Amino acid sequence: QVQLVQSGAEVKKPGASVKVSCKASGYTFTNYDIIWVRQATGQGLEWMGWMSPNSGATGYAQKFQGRVTMTRNTSISTAYMELSSLRSEDTAVYYCARADGDHNRPFDYWGQGTLVTVSS
Amino acid sequence: SYVLTQPPSVSVAPGQTARITCGGDNIRTKTVHWYQQKPGQAPMLVVYDDSDRPSGIPERFSGSNSGNTASLTISRVEAGDEADYYCQIWDGIVDHVIFGGGTKLTVL
Repeated sequence: QVQLVQSGAEVKKPGASVKVSCKASGYTFTNYDIIWVRQATGQGLEWMGWMSPNSGATGYAQKFQGRVTMTRNTSISTAYMELSSLRSEDTAVYYCARADGDHNRPFDYWGQGTLVTVSS
Repeated sequence: SYVLTQPPSVSVAPGQTARITCGGDNIRTKTVHWYQQKPGQAPMLVVYDDSDRPSGIPERFSGSNSGNTASLTISRVEAGDEADYYCQIWDGIVDHVIFGGGTKLTVL
């Protein structure tokens, strides 16, 4: 069965960086794009960007340009999202999800979420 | 940039029909997907491509899209349907995913 398993919760200080992993199983990792979405407590879903595990191509939301980097390691079917220059407003649950095809398709499987807390 | 507008909340009695709207400029030209999110859980796809259901999603969930409004309709609402619902599109003009603000469905 398709599964996306994310790394555990993180606590970071302002100005630091965080790297969240998303390990895929149950399907061919390189055949489906991975997208990242975050959700602050009590707030809605916010799209951060997409990555093609096949080519490594990426597309980032304008809001995160220059601060986010999405990468992958195809040998272990794992995608990564790194967010730098963290501030308190980045405190949120970060989700990875699989796009059913390329990045403009629906997101049919989601990771369990990773809570990132930014606090001094 | 393109904006999707959802009502913050919708309330419905068990057994009745809930309709959650998603407004956008000429949204009928977009492909709309819908997600259900229960507290403490990741979102789950319930309707895709305007009106298709993933396997395992009850037929009570249906979608439509015309004019400036897309809709998610839940028939014979059950207590277990209480959740937040989000609409989503791909904006090909700016190559961005857009989510609506979300609608909290309360089952009275």
